[in-house]
Amino acid sequence: QQPVQSPQAVILREGEDAVINCSSSKALYSVHWYRQKHGEAPVFLMILLKGGEQKGHDKISASFNEKKQQSSLYLTASQLSYSGTYFCGTEGGGKLIFGQGTELSVKP
Amino acid sequence: EAQVTQNPRYLITVTGKKLTVTCSQNMNHEYMSWYRQDPGLGLRQIYYSMNVEVTDKGDVPEGYKVSRKEKRNFPLILESPSPNQTSLYFCASSFGLALNTGELFFGEGSRLTVL
Repeated sequence: QQPVQSPQAVILREGEDAVINCSSSKALYSVHWYRQKHGEAPVFLMILLKGGEQKGHDKISASFNEKKQQSSLYLTASQLSYSGTYFCGTEGGGKLIFGQGTELSVKP
Repeated sequence: EAQVTQNPRYLITVTGKKLTVTCSQNMNHEYMSWYRQDPGLGLRQIYYSMNVEVTDKGDVPEGYKVSRKEKRNFPLILESPSPNQTSLYFCASSFGLALNTGELFFGEGSRLTVL
């Protein structure tokens, strides 16, 4: 079952922060995060294991809330280059199922 | 250069005409997967392969076939394409899905239109 991402879309000004959430009705073991810029292929950001907190590149990090079966992606002091669609994926038995995506637009 | 190569990048075809989208990776990856991307639906997994001769269904396998006869290649076959298979297709590969091996590398995508 697809994980559910929220919000579906967000518009930011440069320098603002954003949080993208990824929830699953199934028990989560790991969450994978990717970013896709318009017209390009998705690009890997990070993998988060249950109980883990990850610092990615730029000022992007993520956390894993086991109790809520949710992962959150934090984008701090956003840059224009952060614009794109963010996908979370949940893994189980070889399947990697992605959510519907969150479209992030950063304006000057 | 490490890459995942898909062909064709663009294709317009007609209902029922069998087609194959090829995918090749040069990174010696064990894991390969096909996704389709449609507006509002995100990336949906069609099939995946954990290694040579090992393939399994993803979430939307109907109407597709795959094979993994060699490690580097993972073709996607549409035996009798229908208009609802019009989509953007991505092939991806990685060493696995674990913390240290799970970075998926995606091909550039193949945009398929079925009339």
